Amino acid sequence: ETGVTQTPRHLVMGMTNKKSLKCEQHLGHNAMYWYKQSAKKPLELMFVYSLEERVENNSVPSRFSPECPNSSHLFLHLHTLQPEDSALYLCASSHDLESVFGYTFGSGTRLTVV
Amino acid sequence: AQKVTQAQTEISVVEKEDVTLDCVYETRDTTYYLFWYKQPPSGELVFLIRRNSFDEQNEISGRYSWNFQKSTSSFNFTITASQVVDSAVYFCALSGENTGFQKLVFGTGTRLLVSP
Repeated sequence: ETGVTQTPRHLVMGMTNKKSLKCEQHLGHNAMYWYKQSAKKPLELMFVYSLEERVENNSVPSRFSPECPNSSHLFLHLHTLQPEDSALYLCASSHDLESVFGYTFGSGTRLTVV
Repeated sequence: AQKVTQAQTEISVVEKEDVTLDCVYETRDTTYYLFWYKQPPSGELVFLIRRNSFDEQNEISGRYSWNFQKSTSSFNFTITASQVVDSAVYFCALSGENTGFQKLVFGTGTRLLVSP
């Protein structure tokens, strides 16, 4: 596989559930990101990891918990979410934090909280 | 603060028409980068172009062209002879030296619908 792969593509969860989103990249990149895309709003940066170390937490509620076990994998653990958390969650990677070539994005996980 | 404005929410054209997507940005950085991404229905954002603040040359790539004008803080994107496959949401984005080049600030996107 090449590029950035996200699983699952779609997820429906109740507010009391615990679930995880997975992101995997095979590009040899050292930085990975989580973005949230809500309807009619700009993409919001949530978390930034560089070499498995979190370097940015953009005021994200604690019900979202990221994990980066290695430079190829990034997870977003979800628990006790709210309906307003329903959105498209996009993972991205870049060669490093100073990469000015932009990101390579995955196809996203469409999350619906009921 | 950095900001990207895409005032056009949705544009509908007929195939073979030319269409321009507008992007206006705000930044206090001297060194910054501007990007365009395409988001087809499949969801992933596809990188189209990056332009740095010191290079105001317009760029053409096939049917795509970009017009960067620092005087008006605009980075507009034109598709010539549009095709149905161009239907997507297009995002303009900005990153700068003071907030960190890894932090892209996105506009709200412009949905382009190209009908046969």
